[in-house]
Amino acid sequence: KAGVTQTPRYLIKTRGQQVTLSCSPISGHRSVSWYQQTPGQGLQFLFEYFSETQRNKGNFPGRFSGRQFSNSRSEMNVSTLELGDSALYLCASSLEVWLAGALKGNEQFFGPGTRLTVL
Amino acid sequence: AQSVAQPEDQVNVAEGNPLTVKCTYSVSGNPYLFWYVQYPNRGLQFLLKYITGDNLVKGSYGFEAEFNKSQTSFHLKKPSALVSDSALYFCAVRDDASGSARQLTFGSGTQLTVLP
Repeated sequence: KAGVTQTPRYLIKTRGQQVTLSCSPISGHRSVSWYQQTPGQGLQFLFEYFSETQRNKGNFPGRFSGRQFSNSRSEMNVSTLELGDSALYLCASSLEVWLAGALKGNEQFFGPGTRLTVL
Repeated sequence: AQSVAQPEDQVNVAEGNPLTVKCTYSVSGNPYLFWYVQYPNRGLQFLLKYITGDNLVKGSYGFEAEFNKSQTSFHLKKPSALVSDSALYFCAVRDDASGSARQLTFGSGTQLTVLP
């Protein structure tokens, strides 16, 4: 089974531009989460999508947005880029496992990430 | 609210020696705990998880972790370290008691260096 794929792997943009990153989850996984990883802030949760709906959102400004398509593929968009947006953006997918009405297993499987550099 | 602490930014161990990477957590309900490893310029790889059951969980590459409810800890261990284990390790928690239970909260990471 193919893993989570992210495109592009590397991206260089200038301040004020916008960028769109893409993520294809593992086949059958309907939950897709996005994280920003920086040396100073570590791994920070951006948002999570499930069946084309945003279920959770982290504490990021409105410049960060996302969406999910019917095939579970997801995109995230950052508008009006700032220098501080330079980071590794990670996408993760998970298969929700329910048992007796409770969510049990949902380990996330991560893609290789997109390295965004804002100049 | 859920949170995770990894008290050590850096852990050094000699090859062949046992290793421990520490993790403590805070949740309102029952914790679901995970360990991930990250190699340079790569995404995170899942190592193991604790959902319920035995307190000692075995995972990939010879790693194991011990869940201790009274100490709210979930330390990662390996009996004999390899140089190839050198990487960044993340502990993560999910609280089953909240509406946002699906969201994982990650620790700050611990850089493990295994010296030859």
